[in-house]
Amino acid sequence: QQQVKQSPQSLIVQKGGISIINCAYENTAFDYFPWYQQFPGKGPALLIAIRPDVSEKKEGRFTISFNKSAKQFSLHIMDSQPGDSATYFCAASSDRGGSEKLVFGKGTKLTVNP
Amino acid sequence: KAGVTQTPRYLIKTRGQQVTLSCSPISGHRSVSWYQQTPGQGLQFLFEYFSETQRNKGNFPGRFSGRQFSNSRSEMNVSTLELGDSALYLCASSLRVGGPTDTQYFGPGTRLTVL
Repeated sequence: QQQVKQSPQSLIVQKGGISIINCAYENTAFDYFPWYQQFPGKGPALLIAIRPDVSEKKEGRFTISFNKSAKQFSLHIMDSQPGDSATYFCAASSDRGGSEKLVFGKGTKLTVNP
Repeated sequence: KAGVTQTPRYLIKTRGQQVTLSCSPISGHRSVSWYQQTPGQGLQFLFEYFSETQRNKGNFPGRFSGRQFSNSRSEMNVSTLELGDSALYLCASSLRVGGPTDTQYFGPGTRLTVL
């Protein structure tokens, strides 16, 4: 059972464009939604995270939009740069039960062409 | 602060062997989680340890086990290796002071190849 569905699987944008990656979740107990960025040969690195008490969070060129009723959240990368080319993972977790287990989407491979 | 470190970085084993992977969390972090990353299944949760106790376990066979030491360092063991165990094994640590979920910081991973 895939609890977090991520799309698209791959994305190609031009330098300066907007990259949009979408995720949908099923478990209403989820209350923490991070996005991770992973470069080849490296571990995932936290990019930005949101909790369901806000609908949007912005950090520099990266914005998370969150729709609690639709159980969806998305990552927007403004002014995309070639250095943003990486694989992006959305994730979700719930702090109920004392576990911090992250459930990940399948990932989106982003390519930003110069 | 030094990040999460994992050793070894690369490992080649043959079917039927066993392997032990090591993870040193960020200094002061008390929680360690392990994930398996494969092209087909993506990132999947293996287990989570806090204060030397397993707090949660993913849907993996009993061949996969782990432990955490009093200094928060953790090891995971895979016995009777199968070809399908070839993957990148990632360790993540968090501060875990209670309350809302803490950020998990990942190490670079151990690339395990089973021949």
